[in-house]
Amino acid sequence: GNSVTQMEGPVTLSEEAFLTINCTYTATGYPSLFWYVQYPGEGLQLLLKATKADDKGSNKGFEATYRKETTSFHLEKGSVQVSDSAVYFCALRQTRNSGNTPLVFGKGTRLSVIA
Amino acid sequence: DSGVTQTPKHLITATGQRVTLRCSPRSGDLSVYWYQQSLDQGLQFLIQYYNGEERAKGNILERFSAQQFPDLHSELNLSSLELGDSALYFCASDPVGSYNEQFFGPGTRLTVL
Repeated sequence: GNSVTQMEGPVTLSEEAFLTINCTYTATGYPSLFWYVQYPGEGLQLLLKATKADDKGSNKGFEATYRKETTSFHLEKGSVQVSDSAVYFCALRQTRNSGNTPLVFGKGTRLSVIA
Repeated sequence: DSGVTQTPKHLITATGQRVTLRCSPRSGDLSVYWYQQSLDQGLQFLIQYYNGEERAKGNILERFSAQQFPDLHSELNLSSLELGDSALYFCASDPVGSYNEQFFGPGTRLTVL
């Protein structure tokens, strides 16, 4: 079945440090890939997405590239801020002609950024 | 604000009880999904409805059930509650087209004592 594996946290960085959170997936065909973020006490928000191979999703300084050859969708940011402290979830959804499909999530990576 | 609403925000109850969680999807969205977020299991898909009909089932216990009403709001019913059912329950909705993201509600935090 479909699955998502992301690096275990927690990750603690100093402000302005470079961030990488690894994400790999197992799926048949060409799933859509997503990064969601959950700030403390809140629900999930879409951070970025990519729907086909070599697509790059980007938002708020975060980037991730859909790599089919390595089945990966690693999240990166060049300079993190304290306000980026949150839990980050990598997710996929299978594309299907018969309609929308549920998301499959990784276990989440907690990021703490210290000033 | 995602446009997805969930009530109540918090729920505290005792083992053996039954509760109902409510979700209203974004205007125009026909699909509703329920997810459970717990410390040990992470975010797990429970069940999906599309325009009133069950579309997909995930790791949903037999003690749990759901439905989607003609006005498209959905309810998740949890019965014979156990301590391990304590979790955050999220509802999500999305427009037609599997490439699109899902929009999540703020969640209902269930505590079973």
